Amino acid sequence: AQSVTQLDSHVSVSEGTPVLLRCNYSSSYSPSLFWYVQHPNKGLQLLLKYTSAATLVKGINGFEAEFKKSETSFHLTKPSAHMSDAAEYFCVVSDRRSDDMRFGAGTRLTVKP
Amino acid sequence: KAGVTQTPRYLIKTRGQQVTLSCSPISGHRSVSWYQQTPGQGLQFLFEYFSETQRNKGNFPGRFSGRQFSNSRSEMNVSTLELGDSALYLCASSPEGVGSDTQYFGPGTRLTVL
Repeated sequence: AQSVTQLDSHVSVSEGTPVLLRCNYSSSYSPSLFWYVQHPNKGLQLLLKYTSAATLVKGINGFEAEFKKSETSFHLTKPSAHMSDAAEYFCVVSDRRSDDMRFGAGTRLTVKP
Repeated sequence: KAGVTQTPRYLIKTRGQQVTLSCSPISGHRSVSWYQQTPGQGLQFLFEYFSETQRNKGNFPGRFSGRQFSNSRSEMNVSTLELGDSALYLCASSPEGVGSDTQYFGPGTRLTVL
């Protein structure tokens, strides 16, 4: 069975400072990992995904994530936060063999001016 | 390509009623999955349809059902509504399915049960 844990329910940063949103996963197989963002009253938008190619994945809006198998982590980072980054972020693990997809509980990112 | 569309965007119903939500996937996508999002439970998987067949089902009571048409459009039905069914219902589509692909999400239908 798969699972995903987002280690922080809420992260607050100042505009222009780095962002780190943490995600640990558990999977029996070689998983695919995703980060999605949800702005208020909107659906989820894909930021980036890892599917066993390069371990450092670059996404949209300056976000990137590094897959670390030894640590079972897939943390999301951005060098400099922008006010428009304020949203809810979801880490997701899926597995082609089991056709299963699990969402983390979400991390709310607040960006202060 | 047009994105995933969901109708209606907002619904208000009373307890005991039933409701039908609609989802039109991205053209060419054969998989449609449905999710319930609430502040308390987060995002929970309801079910997935692929080529008109239910392929996966989450842990929800039988009051929640769905179907998919030959054009891949999907509907979700909730019967005998309860207060706890108030949520944002999201649908997502992908070419091959939940385990295989990126899911493309619609804007959601916000259901309020009074």
